[in-house]
Amino acid sequence: DIQMTQSPSSLSASVGDRVTITCRASQTISTSLNWYQQKPGKAPKLLIYAASTLQSGVPSRFSGSGSGTDFTLTISSLQREDFATYYCQQSYSTHTFGQGTKLEIK
Amino acid sequence: EVQLVESGGGVVRPEGSLRLSCAASGFTFDAFAMSWVRQAPGKGLEWVSTINWNGGSRGYVDSVKGRFTISRENAKNSLYLDMTSLRAEDTAFYYCARTLRGTDAFDIWGQGTMVTVSS
Repeated sequence: DIQMTQSPSSLSASVGDRVTITCRASQTISTSLNWYQQKPGKAPKLLIYAASTLQSGVPSRFSGSGSGTDFTLTISSLQREDFATYYCQQSYSTHTFGQGTKLEIK
Repeated sequence: EVQLVESGGGVVRPEGSLRLSCAASGFTFDAFAMSWVRQAPGKGLEWVSTINWNGGSRGYVDSVKGRFTISRENAKNSLYLDMTSLRAEDTAFYYCARTLRGTDAFDIWGQGTMVTVSS
């Protein structure tokens, strides 16, 4: 089974900051990597699929990069509504999610 | 509006059974694979199962193999998850999710239904 490891597990940042979350796969997954945002009490929301493709309607301050085993999600200028938990997910071989990164207001 | 609405959650005793349903609307249901993803209280996301557009291919996470069965009824725009031999560790919110063609990302999610396994 493919394991996904996100870092950091939690992160404090301020509005306007640039933030990067990383995700590492236990084996190569090409670009079969997706990113989700989840707010408390809500279903997850797809942000980026295939490592770097922005889902329709998602603000352009979100971007993704990487291939193989190492991936990043970057938020270029944090907005108040971005404080949430973020998950990566591999879809190369069945599906596995990372453990999540909780982004909190500093 | 594209929408998924889950139902069927509740409290069930260990070793009991439950059927979850997911009603889809606003899109061509039989053009998409569909999945179930769960989230235990305060924990992360866990993929449970996926079924392709016509039910000919199904996959499960190891922990539910032999106990859960995913199915769909395209004429009713409905997805199901039959859960048997339930365990305490199956306690979670269960989400149905549309699976994006070509990438297998989950692009549309329902609001979730809670399953609690407790004596």
